[in-house]
Amino acid sequence: ETGVTQSPTHLIKTRGQQVTLRCSSQSGHNTVSWYQQALGQGPQFIFQYYREEENGRGNFPPRFSGLQFPNYSSELNVNALELDDSALYLCASSLPHSTEAFFGQGTRLTVV
Amino acid sequence: EDKVVQSPLSLVVHEGDTVTLNCSYEVTNFRSLLWYKQEKKAPTFLFMLTSSGIEKKSGRLSSILDKKELFSILNITATQTGDSAVYLCAGTGTASKLTFGTGTRLQVTL
Repeated sequence: ETGVTQSPTHLIKTRGQQVTLRCSSQSGHNTVSWYQQALGQGPQFIFQYYREEENGRGNFPPRFSGLQFPNYSSELNVNALELDDSALYLCASSLPHSTEAFFGQGTRLTVV
Repeated sequence: EDKVVQSPLSLVVHEGDTVTLNCSYEVTNFRSLLWYKQEKKAPTFLFMLTSSGIEKKSGRLSSILDKKELFSILNITATQTGDSAVYLCAGTGTASKLTFGTGTRLQVTL
């Protein structure tokens, strides 16, 4: 167990709706990254937060947005959900300037 | 664009066999190569490799990095059914984001 916790574990939403996923990072880890993993694929980088600021973004549209709070927990928000947004969303935390990332259990999002 | 390619995509072996999983990478300003095991949801960290030619070992698992040829291998000896999982390889550069391959699905049968 890594100490990275995500909620909820499962979620079903309707196309066009909005969703917020949450992540609590491992103690002492001030860097949080979010990944999307479609079925049968490797995780794809969405964005990273460091000290409450976005610190890099992958090839995802602006309807994917995030926040990091002073306690280093983080949220991923997705607006105007599309069927292709159905995936496992993973949060990973790491120490400052470290590339060793530890993952949470993920949130399985299904868009119908 | 950064790219990581893993092979084979899937593998079925008998318990006790030795397997080698391959990972090649093209990552801008490369810093390290990471291996994860994914059984159900959370990828579990296995190894991080930064130096070429130095083998990392943990029990029956070992891994090595070749920075000249841009690849890494993960070896599992005396496989057990509990080794059945998807093994993910990821490269990272100065941006600290992980670029993953599609994974190798390993199934170990009795």
